[in-house]
Amino acid sequence: EAGVTQSPTHLIKTRGQQATLRCSPISGHTSVYWYQQALGLGLQFLLWYDEGEERNRGNFPPRFSGRQFPNYSSELNVNALELEDSALYLCASSHRGLVNEKLFFGSGTQLSVL
Amino acid sequence: GQQLNQSPQSMFIQEGEDVSMNCTSSSIFNTWLWYKQDPGEGPVLLIALYKAGELTSNGRLTAQFGITRKDSFLNISASIPSDVGIYFCAGRTGANSKLTFGKGITLSVRP
Repeated sequence: EAGVTQSPTHLIKTRGQQATLRCSPISGHTSVYWYQQALGLGLQFLLWYDEGEERNRGNFPPRFSGRQFPNYSSELNVNALELEDSALYLCASSHRGLVNEKLFFGSGTQLSVL
Repeated sequence: GQQLNQSPQSMFIQEGEDVSMNCTSSSIFNTWLWYKQDPGEGPVLLIALYKAGELTSNGRLTAQFGITRKDSFLNISASIPSDVGIYFCAGRTGANSKLTFGKGITLSVRP
């Protein structure tokens, strides 16, 4: 069974540009989570989608947005990129509704803003 | 808030030694998860805990859900070089709450 897949693995952009990151969850998982991992800051929660709806949002500006498609894959969009947006962006999926819900992560997209 | 505290930031041990890590919060959690992250990879789930007082093992790893529900512990016995990595605790306060992560502890194992 394939795990969570993310693309691209690396992305280089310049300040002010827009970035689009993609995530395919594990088959059968309906929830997708996005986390930002900047150096020294641990994993910061960005967004949570379930069944196509945004369920929760972290403390990030509106230029961080996303969506979940009918096949449960997801996109994270970052507009007006800033230097401090450089980080590893991790996507995780889970099978919502289970009492013992667990998150499974992809390998991430390393975004570098120059 | 729902912050999780992990300290120290880094730990250095000798191969073969046991090591303990803890994760604390001022909030009550109903789920605790422990993850390990290798360089260039996403975190991998090690152990999940769902009941206060629960003690769960996964090979050389043992984790406990604290009785107060405000902390959790991870123990690694007889460490080996491949135990090197960043260990994160994560917790959830309710069924529909997000999973909050600690800042992680970087473990180094000297051969």
